[in-house]
Amino acid sequence: DSGVTQTPKHLITATGQRVTLRCSPRSGDLSVYWYQQSLDQGLQFLIQYYNGEERAKGNILERFSAQQFPDLHSELNLSSLELGDSALYFCASSRRDGGAVGQFFGPGTRLTVL
Amino acid sequence: AQSVTQLDSQVPVFEEAPVELRCNYSSSVSVYLFWYVQYPNQGLQLLLKYLSGSTLVKGINGFEAEFNKSQTSFHLRKPSVHISDTAEYFCAVISGAGSYQLTFGKGTKLSVIP
Repeated sequence: DSGVTQTPKHLITATGQRVTLRCSPRSGDLSVYWYQQSLDQGLQFLIQYYNGEERAKGNILERFSAQQFPDLHSELNLSSLELGDSALYFCASSRRDGGAVGQFFGPGTRLTVL
Repeated sequence: AQSVTQLDSQVPVFEEAPVELRCNYSSSVSVYLFWYVQYPNQGLQLLLKYLSGSTLVKGINGFEAEFNKSQTSFHLRKPSVHISDTAEYFCAVISGAGSYQLTFGKGTKLSVIP
């Protein structure tokens, strides 16, 4: 158990819908990262927040957005969902900004868009 | 921009045999290197990391990796594998140039044959 929690574990929805994925980092970790894992693209970095502020952006679609709240939990919002958004979405956390000490991953949320 | 190449997508090996999973990276600046393991239907677990110092790093579950700057490699090794090592292994890099996200390779599926 990494100490990072993600809810829900599974999510099944229809095209065009909007969903919210939730992540609680390990106690004391200020950085939260979101990654997408799909069969064709592999593991890709989406976005990072550090202590409530956006720090880095990767291959995140404009239909996706995220935020980190004062209690440090984070939410990833996916809207206008398409079939290709079906994937495993991971949240990771680290103590400091750079993540060089290692990022600890949650169990993931499996999103299926029908 | 950095990239990571895992040369083998699948590696079958007999139980108690040694194994090497290969990883090469490209980056124009200093890097931090990681190996993560993903067991079926689970999140990613940090196996080991190289930040600086000794080029041979030891991780959990008897794994070790050697950083070779001249060959831009970070191969993962285990002298004797167990059935429980069956999983997918991901090599990842963080560039030292103010980049915070992990860039992952495509992964190597290790299958340990009894």
